[in-house]
Amino acid sequence: QVQLQESGPGLVKPSETLSLTCTVSGGSVSSGSHYWSWIRQTPGKGLEWIGYIYYTGSSTYNPSLKSRVAISVDTSNNQFSLRVRSVTAADTGVYFCARDAGATSPLNYNGVDVWGQGTTVTVSS
Amino acid sequence: EIVLTQSPATLSLSPGERATLSCWASQSVGTSLAWYQQKPGQAPRLLIYDASNRATGIPARFSGSGSGTDFSLTISSLEPEDFAVYFCQQRSKWPPEITFGQGTRLEIK
Repeated sequence: QVQLQESGPGLVKPSETLSLTCTVSGGSVSSGSHYWSWIRQTPGKGLEWIGYIYYTGSSTYNPSLKSRVAISVDTSNNQFSLRVRSVTAADTGVYFCARDAGATSPLNYNGVDVWGQGTTVTVSS
Repeated sequence: EIVLTQSPATLSLSPGERATLSCWASQSVGTSLAWYQQKPGQAPRLLIYDASNRATGIPARFSGSGSGTDFSLTISSLEPEDFAVYFCQQRSKWPPEITFGQGTRLEIK
């Protein structure tokens, strides 16, 4: 079965860049049926979708974060990554990588069916 | 942005009772709505997708219903392991975005 594992620093200084990587095992990021997502859970906003990327490299972001966020995919290493620039304390939280199962028709939605365990990121000097 | 509002914020029930959780969308999302269960220290787990379809391995006591702006998750007879936080989530096509509700905490009475 597909498993996802986040990795990256747990502590980032204010104004710096947060960088996380998600390694996919038991499946392929090149699957044409899925979108590879980053979702965070913060005390201020609860669960918040950050964005997702398709294996082709096409990405979509939360409009509220779009100016600071970039998601990339590395098909050769079966990974996808997140970068958040100019972080503040409001970016502190648990970051999940996840697999969005997308839709099989224009009107349906199959949900986020696989999640990583989450990694805690604290923004502090 | 489509806003999802969940009600109640906290629901106190006993094992064996029936639980009904609600989720309202600020505009129609069709049936593009999912429900998740989250326990402390864990990632959310997909329960229901496309408003009413149970995900793989989810017990039959969990059911979802609704379309448009009004949705509900029902747990027919609560088991001890069902006490957790539940979130609804929508995925809209245009503009492409995903939003979550603020959650309902289901606690033991």
